[in-house]
Amino acid sequence: SQTIHQWPATLVQPVGSPLSLECTVEGTSNPNLYWYRQAAGRGLQLLFYSVGIGQISSEVPQNLSASRPQDRQFILSSKKLLLSDSGFYLCAWSVPHNEQFFGPGTRLTVL
Amino acid sequence: AQSVTQPDIHITVSEGASLELRCNYSYGATPYLFWYVQSPGQGLQLLLKYFSGDTLVQGIKGFEAEFKRSQSSFNLRKPSVHWSDAAEYFCAVGVTGNQFYFGTGTSLTVIP
Repeated sequence: SQTIHQWPATLVQPVGSPLSLECTVEGTSNPNLYWYRQAAGRGLQLLFYSVGIGQISSEVPQNLSASRPQDRQFILSSKKLLLSDSGFYLCAWSVPHNEQFFGPGTRLTVL
Repeated sequence: AQSVTQPDIHITVSEGASLELRCNYSYGATPYLFWYVQSPGQGLQLLLKYFSGDTLVQGIKGFEAEFKRSQSSFNLRKPSVHWSDAAEYFCAVGVTGNQFYFGTGTSLTVIP
C-alpha cells in the first residue's frame, strides 16, 4: 500500500533562517506531488506541484522554492524565512485522474 | 476560471442530528469531485469521491454526497452526526487529471 511521509512534524525557526521540509512517498511510481500551505483557520493554498523529476510548477510567487530530486521525493525550501511563512504545510500525491492523498503535515512557526 | 465555494464557514449541530454541508463549483465540464475531512493538526482524509456514474456516492464514516449537474453542486450529508465528526471539511474539484481546487472549508462543531 502507498504511504506518504513528511518531516519534521513541527518546526520553530527564526526569521531569516533557511528552511527545508521533506516529503517522500512509498508504494507508487511517478506520482504527481504537491505542496500546500494552510494558514490558521484558512483553506489550502497550492504552492507547487510536480508531474515528474525536475519538473516544478509554481502557483504563487514567494520566497519559497521546491525541488524533486527523486521520483518520490519532494522538498520545500527557503533561503530566508519570513514571519508570513508560518503555517501548516501539507504534501500530497496523486496519480492522474484520481484523488490526492495527503501527508500528516508540518507545523512551521517563524519567530 | 475554476472555483469551489463552500458558503458555510462554520456549522454547529447537535449530536444525532442530520448534517448537510454545501459545495458549489465552477468548471466548464464535469470535474472529479471530492470531500475531505481534517482533524486539528492532521492531514486531510478522503471521505468520498465522484468521477462518473451514480450521482449519489457513499463514503466512509457514514457520509454520502450527491452530485447535481444542474446546480453545479456536490453536497455532503450524514443522517446522524456523532461527536467524533467535529472537524474541518473541504470540498475539492479535480480537473485535467493533475490539478485540484479546494474550497475554503467548513468547520463543524457537534454539541452533546
